Amino acid sequence: DAGVIQSPRHEVTEMGQEVTLRCKPISGHDYLFWYRQTMMRGLELLIYFNNNVPIDDSGMPEDRFSAKMPNASFSTLKIQPSEPRDSAVYFCASSSIYNDIWRTFGSGTRLTVV
Amino acid sequence: AQKITQTQPGMFVQEKEAVTLDCTYDTSDQSYGLFWYKQPSSGEMIFLIYQGSYDEQNATEGRYSLNFQKARKSANLVISASQLGDSAMYFCAMREGLDSGGYNKLIFGAGTRLAVHP
Repeated sequence: DAGVIQSPRHEVTEMGQEVTLRCKPISGHDYLFWYRQTMMRGLELLIYFNNNVPIDDSGMPEDRFSAKMPNASFSTLKIQPSEPRDSAVYFCASSSIYNDIWRTFGSGTRLTVV
Repeated sequence: AQKITQTQPGMFVQEKEAVTLDCTYDTSDQSYGLFWYKQPSSGEMIFLIYQGSYDEQNATEGRYSLNFQKARKSANLVISASQLGDSAMYFCAMREGLDSGGYNKLIFGAGTRLAVHP
């Protein structure tokens, strides 16, 4: 099992540019979560999906952020336009309804907006 | 109000000694779960241990144990026989019950940075 795969590992972009973060969950997992980690706010849940359907996006900071899950093996988190305050580590995690204790995190994408 | 509080920003311990990382939580749910994660310098989040609110015995996983004191709302992580590789950030997290709508929302504490000295 390759685990949760996120790409890219690092992203540096200029303010105003569109940024797309990608996530491949563990095969068979029916929940997918996007988190953001900053020094100031710690780890925050942005949005989560169940069976590809967004369930709760109350953590998405503003309309510049959007997330999609077109199929069970792929999700994207898009920021458009990006701002310096979006600089953070973004984690994707997945889990199964049958064993949600084992919520597996990806290695994260470190985003820097300059 | 903070739902998960980790009062120790940093801790250090001598190799082979035991260390306790503190975590207190706040919830009105009867059913909830408590987690500990390790984040080494490489950045990934590694699940360590889980305690359900109805579990009567403290959870243990190898050198990790969770000292669960329900009345005090505390869920401290105990690492026995510390190793150099235990140096990392440690996060306590809580999942609340189905009724409150928090079942799928892991709420994390601010973390404790542990340094293991040789």
